Amino acid sequence: GAVVSQHPSWVICKSGTSVKIECRSLDFQATTMFWYRQFPKQSLMLMATSNEGSKATYEQGVEKDKFLINHASLTLSTLTVTSAHPEDSSFYICSASNRNTGELFFGEGSRLTVL
Amino acid sequence: AQSVTQLGSHVSVSEGALVLLRCNYSSSVPPYLFWYVQYPNQGLQLLLKYTTGATLVKGINGFEAEFKKSETSFHLTKPSAHMSDAAEYFCAVIRGADGLTFGKGTHLIIQP
Repeated sequence: GAVVSQHPSWVICKSGTSVKIECRSLDFQATTMFWYRQFPKQSLMLMATSNEGSKATYEQGVEKDKFLINHASLTLSTLTVTSAHPEDSSFYICSASNRNTGELFFGEGSRLTVL
Repeated sequence: AQSVTQLGSHVSVSEGALVLLRCNYSSSVPPYLFWYVQYPNQGLQLLLKYTTGATLVKGINGFEAEFKKSETSFHLTKPSAHMSDAAEYFCAVIRGADGLTFGKGTHLIIQP
């Protein structure tokens, strides 16, 4: 079946560094990908909607300069957390929408820990 | 390990009829359970969640779900379907200390 792969699944970095998380649709093309953030024992929070070839649409309160999203191809979207700080530590999940069927598939998530 | 099974990738009901979307979970710890809805070309929206306390949880848009530990279920219901309910619905369970494991989703179709 369709799979969405996120990489890395977990990452630890120093404060002030930037971290890139990749979201790939492995066997389908995704015109739209979504990035979510989740704090411990809380629900997902939609951060942004990423459309291939255009700028991402950010939800209210999400800093676009902090969380850079690029959707350069129909199978890859990246989220870059710039100048990460401990409060950015979280679980980030992407999902991808199949351009042909509209079905939605989720990645396994990426855990970011900023020291 | 936590897992979620949603029975039926597609469910079709008539407008005004009862909506029942099934979700069974597997969890080695007391689960936190969620139902999310996604409308076409939009992100997820939280419908309702169960953490502790009352097992019948009421959410937005007239939906509710009941946590049944004996059946390891968290089925989503709505008494009367509306055309605007047509969407993709996801059940999810907390994985470990944090993070979510999602079901594969159920596409709800409302027939006029």
